[in-house]
This record gives sequence, structure tokens and C-alpha cells, in this order.
Amino acid sequence: DVKVTQSSRYLVKRTGEKVFLECVQDMDHENMFWYRQDPGLGLRLIYFSYDVKMKEKGDIPEGYSVSREKKERFSLILESASTNQTSMYLCASSPNRGNTEAFFGQGTRLTVV
Amino acid sequence: DAKTTQPNSMESNEEEPVHLPCNHSTISGTDYIHWYRQLPSQGPEYVIHGLTSNVNNRMASLAIAEDRKSSTLILHRATLRDAAVYYCILRAVDSGGGADGLTFGKGTHLIIQP
Repeated sequence: DVKVTQSSRYLVKRTGEKVFLECVQDMDHENMFWYRQDPGLGLRLIYFSYDVKMKEKGDIPEGYSVSREKKERFSLILESASTNQTSMYLCASSPNRGNTEAFFGQGTRLTVV
Repeated sequence: DAKTTQPNSMESNEEEPVHLPCNHSTISGTDYIHWYRQLPSQGPEYVIHGLTSNVNNRMASLAIAEDRKSSTLILHRATLRDAAVYYCILRAVDSGGGADGLTFGKGTHLIIQP
């Protein structure tokens, strides 16, 4: 069974903390993605990566950074968490071909207090 | 990235067919049409995709207009478990080594009435 695994289902962090959200895929996919999802706004792309050490900004990269040191792992970093980063975060992976599907993790609900 | 337009919400009755439309008038010749759905409290899941011809799988059918500027996802016999947000997305045939943002819109919230 193919899998995209996010390290935490629920997370509570304090304002100003550095937060790491981890995502691992076991399908040898080139592409990996981080989204956030908020009510009424749908899924918004934060960052994506099409290869190890490569990254591209999505639609809302401000306040976030990413790291892809190994093909199977894509980390989202909140350098200094703020309350407006409270959200559901979703990771996905796909092969580097448009005629194949993407796979999503179950999501991490992050609350910044 | 080419954009898609979908209705915000649709309602249907259980055990009836559902036709979910998507407009993509700026689609390029190298874009595949993908559909995903997101059930409550879950990550999105793949439903179906196609390029030019109509496609069928165990979950749904995809009807693509001849000019490819629109498509319709067809659920042949909706059940309560099909209540979800459905997303229509365009993806390039071959991203090569470059960017493939996999951008989602707001999708269509499908409501199924018992």
C-alpha cells in the first residue's frame, strides 16, 4: 500500500516557536508538496519540490521554508510560529509526470497559541 | 498554470447520477485533466484523469469536451459516502525537471440527500 506519512496528526505550539512538520513517502516520487487548508479558502500551495535539494515557492510561501535533503522526506518549517499559521497542513507526493496521480497524507492540524 | 472553474456546491439525491462540471477554457494541449475528492477530515484522494478521450474507472467516469475546454465528472449512482469536495485540476503531460505546482481551486462541495 502506497503511503504518504505525516509525522503528527495534531500539534500545539506556542507563538514564536520554531516548528517542523515532517512528511515521508515510500513511493520514490520526485515531486513533493506542502499545502495548508483553511475554511472557505480551499487548499493553498505553500512550497513544492521536484527533486532533492530543489524547491519552488507556491502561492503562499511567506512565513515558511522547506527542506528536502533526501528524496523520500520533505519538511515544512515555520521559523517563528504565529497564530495566523494555525491551520490544517497537508503533504502530497507524485511522480514527475502529469499522467499519474498524486497521493496525500492525512494532514497535521497545527494550533499556534 | 491554466485555471479551472467549478460551481461552489451541488446537491443530489442518493442513488441518482451526479454530473460535476469543470470549465478550463485556457487548457493547453499538454495538460491532463485530473479530478480529486476530499472526504471530511481526510486528505484529498485521486478519482480519475484523462487527456482527450472519455475515461472510466471503478469510482467514476470522466467526459471531456471535444475542444477540451470543459469536462464533467460523472458519479453513476451517488451514495452518502460520495459527499465530499471535488477538485478539478490541470497537470502538464511531462514536467521534465521543472515545476509542476499541482494547484487546487476551491472545488465543488457535493451534498448527497438520503
